[in-house]
Amino acid sequence: GNSVTQMEGPVTLSEEAFLTINCTYTATGYPSLFWYVQYPGEGLQLLLKATKADDKGSNKGFEATYRKETTSFHLEKGSVQVSDSAVYFCALTPSMDSSYKLIFGSGTRLLVRP
Amino acid sequence: GAGVSQSPRYKVAKRGQDVALRCDPISGHVSLFWYQQALGQGPEFLTYFQNEAQLDKSGLPSDRFFAERPEGSVSTLKIQRTQQEDSAVYLCASSLAHRETQYFGPGTRLLVL
Repeated sequence: GNSVTQMEGPVTLSEEAFLTINCTYTATGYPSLFWYVQYPGEGLQLLLKATKADDKGSNKGFEATYRKETTSFHLEKGSVQVSDSAVYFCALTPSMDSSYKLIFGSGTRLLVRP
Repeated sequence: GAGVSQSPRYKVAKRGQDVALRCDPISGHVSLFWYQQALGQGPEFLTYFQNEAQLDKSGLPSDRFFAERPEGSVSTLKIQRTQQEDSAVYLCASSLAHRETQYFGPGTRLLVL
């Protein structure tokens, strides 16, 4: 079946540090891949997405590359800020049946200290 | 324009009570989704509407859960005879079409005592 596995948190970094949050997936065909972010007290927001192999999604300094060969979609940012503290969810939508259905990982909490 | 709104934001219910959770999608969005998010977990799909038609209800955990969208806009998720395991955040999302970006509401946090 389809599933998403992401690294457990919390991840604690100092401001301006480099961030990587690992995400791998299991799916048939070519799913679309997403990173959503949930800031404290707010709803889920789409951060970035990629819909085919080797695509790079980017937004607000974050980026992730769709790697079919390693079934991965790791989230990176070169220099994190305190305001990036949030919970990050990796997700996919299947390429075939139920292509509308978002399947999420369990989330990774990021805490950035000043 | 306005985003997806949900009400109530918080709901405390006694075990065995019925609850109704409301979702107002973004105007003009054809597709509407409900997800359940347990504490410390990612959201899990419950059900999907295209306009007023419920096309997928495979994620509803039991027949105590029922969702409707009678006029193709506002949706209600009803849980009958609530149990403690129903305690979770219930998220609603809408999209312009079924494979477009899903926009999420703030969620309703349900606590069953």
